[in-house]
Formats: sequence, C-alpha cells, structure tokens
Amino acid sequence: SQELEQSPQSLIVQEGKNLTINCTSSKTLYGLYWYKQKYGEGLIFLMMLQKGGEEKSHEKITAKLDEKKQQSSLHITASQPSHAGIYLCGADTTGTASKLTFGTGTRLQVTL
Amino acid sequence: GAVVSQHPSRVICKSGTSVKIECRSLDFQATTMFWYRQFPKKSLMLMATSNEGSKATYEQGVEKDKFLINHASLTLSTLTVTSAHPEDSSFYICSARNFLGNYGYTFGSGTRLTVV
Repeated sequence: SQELEQSPQSLIVQEGKNLTINCTSSKTLYGLYWYKQKYGEGLIFLMMLQKGGEEKSHEKITAKLDEKKQQSSLHITASQPSHAGIYLCGADTTGTASKLTFGTGTRLQVTL
Repeated sequence: GAVVSQHPSRVICKSGTSVKIECRSLDFQATTMFWYRQFPKKSLMLMATSNEGSKATYEQGVEKDKFLINHASLTLSTLTVTSAHPEDSSFYICSARNFLGNYGYTFGSGTRLTVV
C-alpha cells in the first residue's frame, strides 16, 4: 500500500475557483515536499515543509503541514489554466533523509 | 544552481536489447541519487537509491539484474535496463540529493522509454 495518500485523485475546477489537495501519511513526515508535473515531464519544486504547523506561500499557492506532521494540504487560490497538471507530495518518512517517497498524485484540470 | 541533466529524453529500443539512461548533476556533487519509475497516470515509484562508489539499494520488488545502476562518480549515475521488454516501457526520472539551499532534491527531466 502507498505510504502517502493524496486526495482527491483528480480534480476539475473552473478558472478562478479555489481548491485544496491533501496528502496524508500514517507515518511522521520529517520533510514534506510539494511538486507539480506536466505529463511526461520532470518535476517542478513548489515548496518544502519541515516543522509541525508550518505554512508557506508562493504566489497563489499555500502549503501547510499539520502539528502532528502527518498531513499536509496544498491550497490554490483563484485557479488559472497554468495551474493545471499533476501535483505530487513527496516525503521523507524515515527521519534520516535517506530517500523521498511520493504520494498517489492529484491530477488538476482548470476549465475556462 | 542545482541542475540535474537526464539523457536521453526519449528512447525507442527493440525487445531484448539494453538501454542506458544517464543522470548528471551539473553544478554540484551528488553522493546520492535516486531512480524513479512512473506509469501512465500514476505517481512516482522509487526503484533504487544510488550511492557513489558503492552498490545501489533497491526497493522491494525491483529486479536488480534487470535494472543495473552504476554511480561511479560524484556527478553521474546511470540506469541500464537490460534485456528490455515492452512491459519495461515507462517514464524514468532521476533525482539527486543536494544540500544547496533548502530544496533537498533536484529532479531530472525524465526519460520516456518505449520498447517495441
């Protein structure tokens, strides 16, 4: 089974609407990374969270890590077509920074 | 800074042949690199961790003899898919552990392998 579960698996939103993607783990998230991927391309780094309760924002994207460090959310405000893609959360669940495993992914489509 | 170059971006090979994919860290030294595989519409699956100068650590279920990993220098790791079959067709992405800034991991642009 996947260590990191993302929800929803796919999402279609109208341009201008807000949306939230969740990433949940049964293990402690020692380092939580959010990436965006266009199909068939590499990963674009969005944000990294390490401390419980931490929140970071960049442009219209905000990511949070809960106090227990087992859940993270990615929130997009006023979505645009450029936000479309696959969003992946990746995490170090070992505490040793020895490897990064990924969530199940969320496919986002933004309609006009 | 912290750029990882992956080559080739696309490759088509015949069944039974071997294919080598290269992953280079261009402006930093990477003692550790990672190889992932991505199936269509799926997430990234970690295949193995490549350590410079030592044997790679493979994830459970990944065939070591099928996917040969070599990390002979601090800037280059290679993945060789041996005796490729159509089921090996996939998107392969490498990543390098870097300690520059606070990114932690830098990813290559991926290689789409098609075995015919």
